[in-house]
Amino acid sequence: DSGVTQTPKHLITATGQRVTLRCSPRSGDLSVYWYQQSLDQGLQFLIQYYNGEERAKGNILERFSAQQFPDLHSELNLSSLELGDSALYFCASSASGRTDTQYFGPGTRLTVL
Amino acid sequence: AQRVTQPEKLLSVFKGAPVELKCNYSYSGSPELFWYVQYSRQRLQLLLRHISRESIKGFTADLNKGETSFHLKKPFAQEEDSAMYYCALPPRGAQKLVFGQGTRLTINP
Repeated sequence: DSGVTQTPKHLITATGQRVTLRCSPRSGDLSVYWYQQSLDQGLQFLIQYYNGEERAKGNILERFSAQQFPDLHSELNLSSLELGDSALYFCASSASGRTDTQYFGPGTRLTVL
Repeated sequence: AQRVTQPEKLLSVFKGAPVELKCNYSYSGSPELFWYVQYSRQRLQLLLRHISRESIKGFTADLNKGETSFHLKKPFAQEEDSAMYYCALPPRGAQKLVFGQGTRLTINP
């Protein structure tokens, strides 16, 4: 077990709705990353936070936002959901902001109906 | 732009046979390369990292800068090796990972 936890495991919602995905990094890890895994796009980096600050942005839509709290857990907010947002969302954490190994959580499977 | 290419979407071999999963990259300089494995419905797990030069679960990978490759190899496949395998690297100056499209490996009994 890598120690990264994500809730919920599954989420089913309707188009136009808003959801929040939560991630707790491994103990001591300062960096949190969010990735989206879909059948057509594969694994895509969304955003990275380091010690509460946004560090890097990837292919993240404007409808999506994230934050990292003082206790280092992170939340990914997805709003105005569309069918195409259905995917597996992974959180990963690493010790620092350098090229450390990233450890992944179990993912949240989002289904938009 | 830094890129990772896994040319095989699917790979099927028999138990006991050698396995090679291909990974090619585009990167100027010395990349840091990773192999991650995802078993059915589970999280991605680090399989091995180029810099550590370890052998995990019998898998090895060698960085070939001339061919810009980091192929994953195992001499004798086992049924439990059936999984999705991803090659990845962090672009220069970044910590995020850029992943290949993945190769689904199936080991037939």
